Amino acid sequence: DVKVTQSSRYLVKRTGEKVFLECVQDMDHENMFWYRQDPGLGLRLIYFSYDVKMKEKGDIPEGYSVSREKKERFSLILESASTNQTSMYLCASSYSNSGANVLTFGAGSRLTVL
Amino acid sequence: GQNIDQPTEMTATEGAIVQINCTYQTSGFNGLFWYQQHAGEAPTFLSYNVLDGLEEKGRFSSFLSRSKGYSYLLLKELQMKDSASYLCAVMDSNYQLIWGAGTKLIIKP
Repeated sequence: DVKVTQSSRYLVKRTGEKVFLECVQDMDHENMFWYRQDPGLGLRLIYFSYDVKMKEKGDIPEGYSVSREKKERFSLILESASTNQTSMYLCASSYSNSGANVLTFGAGSRLTVL
Repeated sequence: GQNIDQPTEMTATEGAIVQINCTYQTSGFNGLFWYQQHAGEAPTFLSYNVLDGLEEKGRFSSFLSRSKGYSYLLLKELQMKDSASYLCAVMDSNYQLIWGAGTKLIIKP
């Protein structure tokens, strides 16, 4: 019954490494999102995509990039990981881009950068 | 700036009622959402309010007052499984979601 799958639940990487976080949804949603979740802060939007090969910057895109080659898959890339990117990363998808835009989230990927 | 405020933590007793408040200041308003997030799990959708008033869904109800920039989530007949974080989010005029930091609800027997 899993609808949004994040490939890695826990990752430990070293400073400077390239990191790929994969997200796949099986609901045929047009919209996909990457958030990071840190203690004491609301979810912060990194990047989002309303269609294949389309991407838009969110509130905190610096240090990240994304790829959406297929409708069901949205990847988050950290070109050179830094310790301040240690966080929980949540992928989400939704059906429409206006109105009651209910998000379906993945279980999250907890990244630790040493 | 845009801001969502909700209490950091609340404690309640099993079987009781608890109200979690959310106040907001945003650029425009296109609806308010409540999500539930158990520790280590994905947030899941609870409710959506776009008009003033109370929306009831089983043991959970959500209230909205747009003039006051205020919402609350009411949980009745609390169960241990209701221990979770509750996230308030507002959709602004650009249909972007602004998130509160979440309220951690602890249920005691």
